[in-house]
Amino acid sequence: EDQVTQSPEALRLQEGESSSLNCSYTVSGLRGLFWYRQDPGKGPEFLFTLYSAGEEKEKERLKATLTKKESFLHITAPKPEDSATYLCAVQVMRGSYIPTFGRGTSLIVHP
Amino acid sequence: NAGVTQTPKFRVLKTGQSMTLLCAQDMNHEYMYWYRQDPGMGLRLIHYSVGEGTTAKGEVPDGYNVSRLKKQNFLLGLESAAPSQTSVYFCASRLLSNQPQHFGDGTRLSIL
Repeated sequence: EDQVTQSPEALRLQEGESSSLNCSYTVSGLRGLFWYRQDPGKGPEFLFTLYSAGEEKEKERLKATLTKKESFLHITAPKPEDSATYLCAVQVMRGSYIPTFGRGTSLIVHP
Repeated sequence: NAGVTQTPKFRVLKTGQSMTLLCAQDMNHEYMYWYRQDPGMGLRLIHYSVGEGTTAKGEVPDGYNVSRLKKQNFLLGLESAAPSQTSVYFCASRLLSNQPQHFGDGTRLSIL
């Protein structure tokens, strides 16, 4: 069974305090890994797609990396506006149309 | 670009009532999905569609029905609402199965 586990469940940071969120997965044949940001009262918003181990993507203070077993979302010098829930999802290769989501990491950045 | 639009945004129902949630996308996407999101449970897939005229069950399909008569629309129906169906419902779509999903902003449904 495909599994996606995100850690920590919740993270509190001070503004400027860099950290990383983890998404570990056990799937057969990764076709793609997706990171989303979800603000309260809104739907998830797409951030990054990673397709193969070693791949990295960056956007402003966020950097996503991928290995064969996990992905990290690095947040450098976060600001209060980075506060949100971050979701990870994986898509497997074997003819599935359904991505498997983790339960998310709730990030709060204090000014 | 409208993207994925869900209507209504909020609704309160009484137990036993029926209703339909509408999802519309203007991106010509093949795949569409209905999820529910509850505190501590994450996103759970209710039903999905891989093209016009097709539907399939997800993880938690009981009590829900869906239809995709037009490619751009995906309807979620509750025939006889129950308090356990109180949740936030999200619709999503994507063009191909190796691409990210685009989500609507959700329908907040309370069943009394």
